[in-house]
Amino acid sequence: RKEVEQDPGPFNVPEGATVAFNCTYSNSASQSFFWYRQDCRKEPKLLMSVYSSGNEDGRFTAQLNRASQYISLLIRDSKLSDSATYLCVVNRAGYSTLTFGKGTMLLVSP
Amino acid sequence: GAVVSQHPSWVICKSGTSVKIECRSLDFQATTMFWYRQFPKQSLMLMATSNEGSKATYEQGVEKDKFLINHASLTLSTLTVTSAHPEDSSFYICSARDWKVNYGYTFGSGTRLTVV
Repeated sequence: RKEVEQDPGPFNVPEGATVAFNCTYSNSASQSFFWYRQDCRKEPKLLMSVYSSGNEDGRFTAQLNRASQYISLLIRDSKLSDSATYLCVVNRAGYSTLTFGKGTMLLVSP
Repeated sequence: GAVVSQHPSWVICKSGTSVKIECRSLDFQATTMFWYRQFPKQSLMLMATSNEGSKATYEQGVEKDKFLINHASLTLSTLTVTSAHPEDSSFYICSARDWKVNYGYTFGSGTRLTVV
């Protein structure tokens, strides 16, 4: 089983739609969780950290369920500029390295 | 915010030659930098952790003699792909943590290597 698994995608949605991405992680010792965004042929950029209580940043909402080892990202009112690959990223306690999921591609169309 | 500069952005080289990629932290000191490789439609895979003033720590399956890492200062780490082959063609990305900014990870802009 891969350490971080995401929906395979791609997700094709119209502008204004709400879309949700799912991610599971296998190592229960994981401590920090993030969603990164990666545009084609570019480096990943931090979208938001994910906290146990859930957190929201504008149109983006992230949730964490430690018992199920599950992370989600919800995007409301999708914009064309949201088109990108969304990476679920996990950091193990005591380690400085990040483990990346394969990413889920989102395509928002007019 | 923290800035990591990576050069070159892209490089094409002949098989058998060596290529050096530089990663610099511009506005902070990075005692640790990370080197990743990403093949098309794949996730970023950690190759090695670069530690300032000491040997790099390589992930399982990554040949340390082929991917030479040097982290001689707090702001510069280099990755040299020695005797490159077409299968080394990939997107190489470095990352550093700015310990002063909530341990945030910042990524370089990546280097697209094509070996012909």
